[in-house]
Amino acid sequence: NAGVTQTPKFQVLKTGQSMTLQCAQDMNHEYMSWYRQDPGMGLRLIHYSVGAGITDQGEVPNGYNVSRSTTEDFPLRLLSAAPSQTSVYFCASSRGQALYGYTFGSGTRLTVV
Amino acid sequence: GQQLNQSPQSMFIQEGEDVSMNCTSSSIFNTWLWYKQDPGEGPVLLIALYKAGELTSNGRLTAQFGITRKDSFLNISASIPSDVGIYFCAGTSGGSYIPTFGRGTSLIVHP
Repeated sequence: NAGVTQTPKFQVLKTGQSMTLQCAQDMNHEYMSWYRQDPGMGLRLIHYSVGAGITDQGEVPNGYNVSRSTTEDFPLRLLSAAPSQTSVYFCASSRGQALYGYTFGSGTRLTVV
Repeated sequence: GQQLNQSPQSMFIQEGEDVSMNCTSSSIFNTWLWYKQDPGEGPVLLIALYKAGELTSNGRLTAQFGITRKDSFLNISASIPSDVGIYFCAGTSGGSYIPTFGRGTSLIVHP
């Protein structure tokens, strides 16, 4: 099994550009989340989903959109990139009740110039 | 959202030493999770704790779910160079199954 696959691994954007960070999991997990990691700030929740067709905002949702049309995929869209969105983004997934802990992807390192 | 205070922020130790880190919250948590992140990778789950007072080991790692349900501890015995990384605590509370993460403890082990 591939687990959680994130693409791309690295991306440089200009301010104002839009892009989609891809996330796919092959474990049939219900729960999926996007986190951003900034130095000294830990992992902060952007958006999450508890199943196909259901999404909700996390701690830092502004400037990001998500959708969950299938169980496997959970893309994160940056609508108009800003330098403050320079970060490392992690997608994670879990079985139903998340008591078993999340499985993380290897991350996307995004730089907005 | 829930706040998790993780300490220390960083540790510089000699190979062979034992390590202790902890995580505290002002709120009660139902689950405590400990993750390790290697450089350039995503966090990997080390230990999950599900009830107050629970003590769980994974090799040289031991974690405990505090009796008050507001804290958790992770100990690493006889550290080795591959223990280097960032250790995160995380927890779930109330009816949420989405974990809140601490800010991490950066561990450096000198050979």
